[in-house]
Amino acid sequence: GAGVSQTPSNKVTEKGKYVELRCDPISGHTALYWYRQSLGQGPEFLIYFQGTGAADDSGLPNDRFFAVRPEGSVSTLKIQRTERGDSAVYLCASSLATPGEQYFGPGTRLTVT
Amino acid sequence: AQTVTQSQPEMSVQEAETVTLSCTYDTSENNYYLFWYKQPPSRQMILVIRQEAYKQQNATENRFSVNFQKAAKSFSLKISDSQLGDTAMYFCAFIRTGANSKLTFGKGITLSVRP
Repeated sequence: GAGVSQTPSNKVTEKGKYVELRCDPISGHTALYWYRQSLGQGPEFLIYFQGTGAADDSGLPNDRFFAVRPEGSVSTLKIQRTERGDSAVYLCASSLATPGEQYFGPGTRLTVT
Repeated sequence: AQTVTQSQPEMSVQEAETVTLSCTYDTSENNYYLFWYKQPPSRQMILVIRQEAYKQQNATENRFSVNFQKAAKSFSLKISDSQLGDTAMYFCAFIRTGANSKLTFGKGITLSVRP
């Protein structure tokens, strides 16, 4: 079946603007994760959904970042008042109940100018 | 909290030869999983190999194998018969057991396979 998809592939925005990044998980996967990968670094955890609820949002850097998953499938990561330091690749992953079997999407490269 | 350390920023290997990528980790957990992920320039993170901490036998997947030393908290990846398509960034990652815990990644290592 189809893998995890993310849109857009690339997003360029001006400092101070609002952006939304979308993730479509593998069908039937109940868990969904967002990670942020800065240049030359490994991915860092942002937030994890189990179904519709955020089970762990401890990785969100501040209150400008918010994510939703209203129907337990597609998720949107929302960033308000973007800053240049938000520039990174945002990765989404999904999994079934088995811990660790996370399947990643191709990521969205966000550039804040 | 868990930490994963990959101290080699980059490595190079001749095609068809063998290369070993190093990883160490720190945790107070007793039950966990360790992974190696490959990330080519396309950005797609691909699972290469997985090791359950409770298993003493080292995991093997075709040309990829690991040397898991639980007491030393070491988890290295050996790639045999290196191919040009192995050129990518490789990340070591840790996850504790339990429902859908988050992955903790190392900084990664850039592997270049020379023709």
